[in-house]
Amino acid sequence: GNSVTQMEGPVTLSEEAFLTINCTYTATGYPSLFWYVQYPGEGLQLLLKATKADDKGSNKGFEATYRKETTSFHLEKGSVQVSDSAVYFCALTGGGNKLTFGTGTQLKVEL
Amino acid sequence: EAGVVQSPRYKIIEKKQPVAFWCNPISGHNTLYWYLQNLGQGPELLIRYENEEAVDDSQLPKDRFSAERLKGVDSTLKIQPAELGDSAVYLCASSQRDWANEQFFGPGTRLTVL
Repeated sequence: GNSVTQMEGPVTLSEEAFLTINCTYTATGYPSLFWYVQYPGEGLQLLLKATKADDKGSNKGFEATYRKETTSFHLEKGSVQVSDSAVYFCALTGGGNKLTFGTGTQLKVEL
Repeated sequence: EAGVVQSPRYKIIEKKQPVAFWCNPISGHNTLYWYLQNLGQGPELLIRYENEEAVDDSQLPKDRFSAERLKGVDSTLKIQPAELGDSAVYLCASSQRDWANEQFFGPGTRLTVL
């Protein structure tokens, strides 16, 4: 079946540091890949997505590239802010729009 | 545009009691999902509706969980009786019908079973 593996958190960074959160996946066929973010006390929000190999999703300074050869979809941001503190989930859809999530990575950004 | 609405936001009950969660999806979204999120884990799908039809309920523990989506709009998820292990966040999401469309999530209901 489909599965997603994320790096464990928490990840603690200073403001303006570079962020990478690793995500790898196992899936049959050609899944779509997503990053969702969950701010404290709020619901999950779609951050970015990519639907085919070599696509790059981007939003709010975050980027991730769909790498089929390494089955990866790593999340990056060049300069994090305190307001980016949240839990980040990597996910994929197979057939039927069923989302399979990773376990989430908590990011803490300090001044 | 209003987002996905869920109520209650928090619920504390004793084991063996029944509990129900309510979800109102975004207007016009045909597909509705219920997810279970345990502490420190990602959400896991319990059931998916296309309009009023449950098209994927393979992960729903049917001995104690039930769900309905009358008229293809609002949905209710029920647990009877609740067990200690049911303590978790129950998330509702909705999307338009097309495949791979974005799912919009509600804030969730945090259930604590004592």
